[in-house]
Amino acid sequence: SQQGEEDPQALSIQEGENATMNCSYKTSINNLQWYRQNSGRGLVHLILIRSNEREKHSGRLRVTLDTSKKSSSLLITASRAADTASYFCATEGRQGGSEKLVFGKGTKLTVNP
Amino acid sequence: DGGITQSPKYLFRKEGQNVTLSCEQNLNHDAMYWYRQDPGQGLRLIYYSQIVNDFQKGDIAEGYSVSREKKESFPLTVTSAQKNPTAFYLCASSPRQGGGIQYFGAGTRLSVL
Repeated sequence: SQQGEEDPQALSIQEGENATMNCSYKTSINNLQWYRQNSGRGLVHLILIRSNEREKHSGRLRVTLDTSKKSSSLLITASRAADTASYFCATEGRQGGSEKLVFGKGTKLTVNP
Repeated sequence: DGGITQSPKYLFRKEGQNVTLSCEQNLNHDAMYWYRQDPGQGLRLIYYSQIVNDFQKGDIAEGYSVSREKKESFPLTVTSAQKNPTAFYLCASSPRQGGGIQYFGAGTRLSVL
């Protein structure tokens, strides 16, 4: 079962612009994570936000979490061509299946030079 | 050079054949995971293991089998019962039981001849 649902499915922007991706989920979570995947490669962890946190920063990345709306957003500021990749949110559940992550379908970001 | 190694990078399966995908990690992680990724889709969990000699089915285990005889190794066999095996397979590991950040290999692309 896929819990995370990213929006938009695809996003195309110019270098230097900001990119915002959203993730919605359905059940209670321990944490929510964002991963990046370059074409044909494995995923790389970007940032983890716990259920009791509302905002987190890492370099040019800013993640917010609204547990009342069961949603999260990932903001990439001052984007670069090298940011071109697919971005996935993943949730770690609070009950039962807390030993595994559930991934969304991803947002494909293209940053044009 | 620590990390997760998946092999081979590309694999071709003939009709009725079983094939085994290798996943080795030298990160001393307890938990290991196998995911399937179809084009333009997110990751779906096939099997996971939290400890040696123990593993659990994920969301799409039918037609697959695994073993966990050593902490560092978690091979996946795609059996002839899996009628649509063409996909990108990703192995991951995590440093603790109960989920957390996952570290991914580079993937194996399986195609049917």
